[in-house]
Amino acid sequence: NAGVTQTPKFQVLKTGQSMTLQCAQDMNHNSMYWYRQDPGMGLRLIYYSASEGTTDKGEVPNGYNVSRLNKREFSLRLESAAPSQTSVYFCASSVDEATAYQPQHFGDGTRLSIL
Amino acid sequence: TQLLEQSPQFLSIQEGENLTVYCNSSSVFSSLQWYRQEPGEGPVLLVTVVTGGEVKKLKRLTFQFGDARKDSSLHITAAQPGDTGLYLCAGEGFGNEKLTFGTGTRLTIIP
Repeated sequence: NAGVTQTPKFQVLKTGQSMTLQCAQDMNHNSMYWYRQDPGMGLRLIYYSASEGTTDKGEVPNGYNVSRLNKREFSLRLESAAPSQTSVYFCASSVDEATAYQPQHFGDGTRLSIL
Repeated sequence: TQLLEQSPQFLSIQEGENLTVYCNSSSVFSSLQWYRQEPGEGPVLLVTVVTGGEVKKLKRLTFQFGDARKDSSLHITAAQPGDTGLYLCAGEGFGNEKLTFGTGTRLTIIP
């Protein structure tokens, strides 16, 4: 019962370094999402992928890129990390974003600090 | 962007007490979800409410969706330490709008 798996769980970067956060789900879900969680701000959507082969910007996409590698995997890349990107990053998946009332299943997060 | 404000932001009460947390917006939602998040983990869905005025019960937790579908509340009866966590509401808009998460209520139940 892995569900949504994120790697790594923790990472410290220096300003300007690049990094890719990995996410994989084993529930055969069509839709996947990347969020960031900051104190007092809830979860904010960075990018999402409604289905394999498609990606779209969310509320806060600047400074990030994504790749939907296949149906299972959705990665988030920081090309040149900035201190403002210090956050906890969550990957989520759902059966189908076009279907109403879809619950999202979350990974346990990647805690990222940019020095 | 639709905004969801949750109150209170923090709540600390003794075991056995009752509490209510709120999720409010000026926007109308087609449905609203409640999640609980424990430290070091991702949010886990508790319930989805879809009809204005709907009330759903999950053991000691009672969820209500406002008649106008702009707000929701979560009432916990006889709180237990296991209820400790961050409670997040999330509203689903109409059409192709993505899920909007609230700011969260961090609940601590003191044994």
